Amino acid sequence: DIQMTQSPSSLSASVGDRVTITCRATQNIRSYMNWYQQKPGKAPKLLISGASSLQTGVPSRFSGSGSGTDFTLTISSLQPEDFATYYCQHTYSTTWTFGQGTKVEVK
Amino acid sequence: QVTLRESGPALVKPTQTLTLTCTFSGFSLNASGMCVNWIRQPPGKALEWLARIDWDDAKHYSTSLKTRLTVSKDTSKNEVVLTMTSVDPVDTATYYCARIYYSPISGWSGFDSWGQGTLVTVSS
Repeated sequence: DIQMTQSPSSLSASVGDRVTITCRATQNIRSYMNWYQQKPGKAPKLLISGASSLQTGVPSRFSGSGSGTDFTLTISSLQPEDFATYYCQHTYSTTWTFGQGTKVEVK
Repeated sequence: QVTLRESGPALVKPTQTLTLTCTFSGFSLNASGMCVNWIRQPPGKALEWLARIDWDDAKHYSTSLKTRLTVSKDTSKNEVVLTMTSVDPVDTATYYCARIYYSPISGWSGFDSWGQGTLVTVSS
């Protein structure tokens, strides 16, 4: 199975900061990468599909990049509502996996 | 409007079989490219993809759990059912169903709609 490794597992940041989360796959997954945001007690929310396609209604401060094995989720200017846990997830091959998550906390 | 809702027992005893139902609306699982997935999340831990059933009745399972999982659909009722055999306390988690669809033009959509999740506790 393809494994996804996210880094960091957690980070502390302030409102207005630029935040970058990375995800590495154990093999080439082309652009079959999605990113989700999850807040406590809630279902995850899809932010980005196909590595870089922003979902309708998601603020433009979120962006995704990468292909192959290395991917990045960037929040250009962190807002109070962005403190949450973020997950990467691939849709390459027939069995799928999530990364272990990155918790973005208040500094 | 797409909605999904999970239902099933809140408490299951070890070694028993867990059966969960996902009831959905706003889309058809007969439509080409449409799929429903099961995903779980143990308390305080990461998401884990479990299984997927496709519009053409193809089924795919997590490698680590495939011997214990079965997914099926009833398109007349707009339901997808997941059964998990021989449950153990480590299977305690919130179980979600989520939709994904495939387009030959844009590829996989990502899990764009989720149920609210149902917490299942495995304990004697």
